[in-house]
Amino acid sequence: NAGVTQTPKFQVLKTGQSMTLQCAQDMNHNSMYWYRQDPGMGLRLIYYSASEGTTDKGEVPNGYNVSRLNKREFSLRLESAAPSQTSVYFCAGQRGQGRTDTQYFGPGTRLTVL
Amino acid sequence: GENVEQHPSTLSVQEGDSAVIKCTYSDSASNYFPWYKQELGKGPQLIIDIRSNVGEKKDQRIAVTLNKTAKHFSLHITETQPEDSAVYFCAVTSNDYKLSFGAGTTVTVRA
Repeated sequence: NAGVTQTPKFQVLKTGQSMTLQCAQDMNHNSMYWYRQDPGMGLRLIYYSASEGTTDKGEVPNGYNVSRLNKREFSLRLESAAPSQTSVYFCAGQRGQGRTDTQYFGPGTRLTVL
Repeated sequence: GENVEQHPSTLSVQEGDSAVIKCTYSDSASNYFPWYKQELGKGPQLIIDIRSNVGEKKDQRIAVTLNKTAKHFSLHITETQPEDSAVYFCAVTSNDYKLSFGAGTTVTVRA
């Protein structure tokens, strides 16, 4: 099992460009999450999908959109990238949406917006 | 999300000594408290978790203690080794079932 995979690993964009970050999991997780990690701020939730076909906003959703393509895949799209979106992005999967279910993280995508 | 405070932000210990990281939270209804370890260039990995019906949990050299009355929990690493050097995050579930993370502690184990 590959667990949670993310592509690409690194990306450099110019302001205004768009791109999609891909995430896939083979752990049969029902819930999937997108976080961003910035120095000194821990991980902040951007969007999540409690189950296939549903998506909801997290703490910092502005400037992003998501698609839960199927149970395995959850993508994050930046329509018009801004320097403030320079960050490391992590996708995570969770078996259910229970309060005590563990989240498993992918290796991350390091994004720089110039 | 819930407010989670984590201290210290950096911690340097001599190999073989113990390391302690503390977190406080605000929502008394929270009942799941995981700890994640993040090595350089990698995603966070769960190392131990505790649920609110337990006061302490131990797994080899790591342990977590929970004080629900005071709303704080701690990670204890004993007999630290160089491979324990990493960033550690505490997290708490909030009422809306999402995880809220602390800001992280960078642990450096000196040989």
